[in-house]
Parts: sequence; structure tokens; C-alpha cells
Amino acid sequence: QSALTQPASVSGSPGQSITISCTATSSDIVGYNYVSWYQQHPGKAPKLMIYDVNRRPSGVSNRFSGSKSGNTASLTISGLQAEDEADYYCSSETSISTFVLFGGGTKLTVL
Amino acid sequence: EVQLLESGGGLLQPGGSLRLSCAASGFAFSSYAMTWVRQAPGKGLEWVSAIIGSGGSTYYADSVKGRFTISRDNSKNTLYLQMNSLRADDTAVYYCAKAILGIYFFDYWGQGTLVTVSS
Repeated sequence: QSALTQPASVSGSPGQSITISCTATSSDIVGYNYVSWYQQHPGKAPKLMIYDVNRRPSGVSNRFSGSKSGNTASLTISGLQAEDEADYYCSSETSISTFVLFGGGTKLTVL
Repeated sequence: EVQLLESGGGLLQPGGSLRLSCAASGFAFSSYAMTWVRQAPGKGLEWVSAIIGSGGSTYYADSVKGRFTISRDNSKNTLYLQMNSLRADDTAVYYCAKAILGIYFFDYWGQGTLVTVSS
């Protein structure tokens, strides 16, 4: 059980917006400042979509946005497209000796 | 163009050792921290280890501390992961990734190399 809790699955129709949450459920996550989000298609390497809570790397669509409130970070995808169907992982720093932690992942299905 | 190419994966028995390599190109290798992340079959991502650009500081997940050693050769633009005392639960695809803003964000990833530990 990760100290970063994500819903196992979310779904949405093309054109809709969805939000994936990532909740820090352990005191091991202190600060929760270095939040990032990764997209992974089956059989492929992860791709950085959001870093530093809400910064978007060059080349990533502005349909992807990140935010954080308290101990919950969120990834919002607007204008859903079929190509967005993938697994999404959040990540954060931790205060314990394991320096980086990933959430358990969320499978996004585009209906 | 940034490229990361892992190699060295394979099938081995519990207790064995293996060294993974990650050849980097397209960026100033010595200026960036690098990391290893693994993914067991059908499971999520697990951060394994990181090393700063100079190689002077290294970091490990508790699950591999004392068994794995990360290193780098900046003259060869290559990252390594020496894995000893391997266990069945080390079975995974191992990705190397380039870090930005310290060791917490990974902007480029390799294609991964599969390590299978089984008797």
C-alpha cells in the first residue's frame, strides 16, 4: 500500500474533463512539494506530464494541468482524447530514507 | 535528441548478481542526476536509486539498500546499477531516467531492460 493513494481507475468520454487525485496518506510524506505525474501506455516507458505540482514540460499538451490542495494533488485532463487512455502515476518526495515515492497508479479509460 | 539505452538484463537465479548499464546521449550527462526506476510485471512504478551528476552522492530505496549500487562514468556517459543478492521480488523492468530539479522529477526515460530472478 503506497503512502500516495490514487483511484484504481477513472473513465470519461471524448471531450470531457477528468481529474485524478493523489492523496498523501502517511506522515512519511512531509512537505509534499515535489509532485509530478507520469503517463504510461502499455508496454512503453513512462512520460513526464507534470512536474513541480503544476509545471508542464515542453511538448506536453496544455490539456494536462496539475494542482495541489493540502495533502491531495490532482491531475486534470481536459478535452479527453482516445490517445489519453493510459496509466497515470503521481510521485512525490518523502521524508524517510526512500527518497521518492510513486502512487499505485490510475488506469484511465476513454469511453 | 536525448536518448537513454539500457542493457544488461536477463534471467538469473536467486542470490545472483547482475550489472545494468544505461548509455546516455543528447545532453550534458555530467550535469544531471540520474535514476533507476523499476516495474514488476503488471505492477506500478517503484523508485530504486539515484545519483547526482558528479557521482558524489547516491540514494537508495530501502528495498535495495545494501544490495544494489548505483554508479556512473561521466567520461563514457553511462549509468550503472550493480545488483547483488538478487531475489524473486527484484524481477522487473528496470528503467533509467534523467532527472531535473534535483532527483525528484524524471523527464527522459529509457525503454527499459527486463531482469527476471527465478530458480
